[in-house]
Amino acid sequence: GDSVTQTEGQVALSEEDFLTIHCNYSASGYPTLFWYVQYPGEGPQLLFRASRDKEKGSSRGFEATYDKGTTSFHLRKASVQESDSAVYYCALSDSNNNNAPRFGAGTKLSVKP
Amino acid sequence: GPKVLQIPSHQIIDMGQMVTLNCDPVSNHLYFYWYKQILGQQMEFLVNFYNGKVMEKSKLFKDQFSVERPDGSYFTLKIQPTALEDSAVYFCASSLGQGNNQAPLFGEGTRLSVL
Repeated sequence: GDSVTQTEGQVALSEEDFLTIHCNYSASGYPTLFWYVQYPGEGPQLLFRASRDKEKGSSRGFEATYDKGTTSFHLRKASVQESDSAVYYCALSDSNNNNAPRFGAGTKLSVKP
Repeated sequence: GPKVLQIPSHQIIDMGQMVTLNCDPVSNHLYFYWYKQILGQQMEFLVNFYNGKVMEKSKLFKDQFSVERPDGSYFTLKIQPTALEDSAVYFCASSLGQGNNQAPLFGEGTRLSVL
């Protein structure tokens, strides 16, 4: 079935470092791809989504570009802050069947001041 | 902004008992979801619901699970009977559409502890 793979389970950075969290997907057609962020004790919050090749999503300094050629939707941020410490989930929804989003394993980001 | 409310935030019950988790979705949303998250693990899809019917469900949605939204009130997840492995945080979500149209908005979860 359709799925997303996040290769980094944990990422540890210092403030002002550049962030990349990798997300690759497996699906037919053009699934909708999402990035969600989850803070401790809270539900996931949508950062942004994209549904077309080369479409760029962005929010709060985070961005990702839908790349059908490499089946990727990598999350990047130029300069992280301590407040960005959270778990980041890549998720996929099969647009053809209008399925509910399926989440990747998540990447825990820890940012030191 | 709009919010999905889940009541209560924590529920403790004995194994074998029935439990109902309540979700108050965004008022004009049409699609409703439940996800399960075991502590420290990923979000796992359980079920989604539209127009009074289950649209799709995962293998985690056991026969002991059921969902309903009677008369447009709370969207509920009932587990009867509960098992130890049902201990987790259950997240409700709702959306106006699906796929390209809308991303689900999540509540803060109900932690279920089965003893």
